[in-house]
Amino acid sequence: KAGVTQTPRYLIKTRGQQVTLSCSPISGHRSVSWYQQTPGQGLQFLFEYFSETQRNKGNFPGRFSGRQFSNSRSEMNVSTLELGDSALYLCASSWDLAGGPWYEQYFGPGTRLTVT
Amino acid sequence: AQKVTQAQTEISVVEKEDVTLDCVYETRDTTYYLFWYKQPPSGELVFLIRRNSFDEQNEISGRYSWNFQKSTSSFNFTITASQVVDSAVYFCALSEAGAQKLVFGQGTRLTINP
Repeated sequence: KAGVTQTPRYLIKTRGQQVTLSCSPISGHRSVSWYQQTPGQGLQFLFEYFSETQRNKGNFPGRFSGRQFSNSRSEMNVSTLELGDSALYLCASSWDLAGGPWYEQYFGPGTRLTVT
Repeated sequence: AQKVTQAQTEISVVEKEDVTLDCVYETRDTTYYLFWYKQPPSGELVFLIRRNSFDEQNEISGRYSWNFQKSTSSFNFTITASQVVDSAVYFCALSEAGAQKLVFGQGTRLTINP
C-alpha cells in the first residue's frame, strides 16, 4: 500500500507570494491533517479535514487555509508569505470511522518551504 | 489545555546501551491517546505506538518498550541494546478522543555512537 505523498518536496518562494502544497493520503483514509514544523516552535497542528470539511483547526492566522477534495486529497495554501513561514509542512492521514475507534496518523515526507 | 513535555533535548549513548526517553503530559480529558513517533534524518515521522488512557499495560515490541503511568502522567519509551539505526528525533504526542489533532512534545534527539 502506498504511503502518504506530498508535492512538491522542496519549494523556494519570495516574501509576499502565495503557495499551495498538495497531499495524497493513504488509500481508504478520509482524514487528512496538516502540521508545521520549525526549529523554534516544533510541530504544530494547522488543521484537519474529513469528508471535504474542516473538522479541527489550530491557532494559525487566516493566511493559512486548506481544502479537501472528494477523493480525500488535500491542499493547503499560504497567502502573503512571511519569512517566519519557512518550515517543513507535514501532512498526515488516518483511517477514521465516525463514532468508532480512533486510529493513528501516518505522515508523509513533508514539503520544505523556504521563504526569502 | 493539553501539553506534552520531553525534558531531554538530546541524548547520546554508545551502541548496545539501554536508553529511556521521558514523556510527561497534561490534559483535563479523561479519555485521550498517547503516541510515540520517530523522525529519522529523512524527515518523515514514523508511527511507533498508540496507547489509550484506559490501557495502562506496558508494551514490548522487540527492543522497544513503553511504560504508561497515569498516576504520574508519564509515557516513557525504552530502547534496549540500542543500535546506530535508532539514531533519530523521537516525539511523544497526545490527542483527545475523537480529535485528529496531535499535540507534540519538543522531541528528543537520540544519537547512538558505534
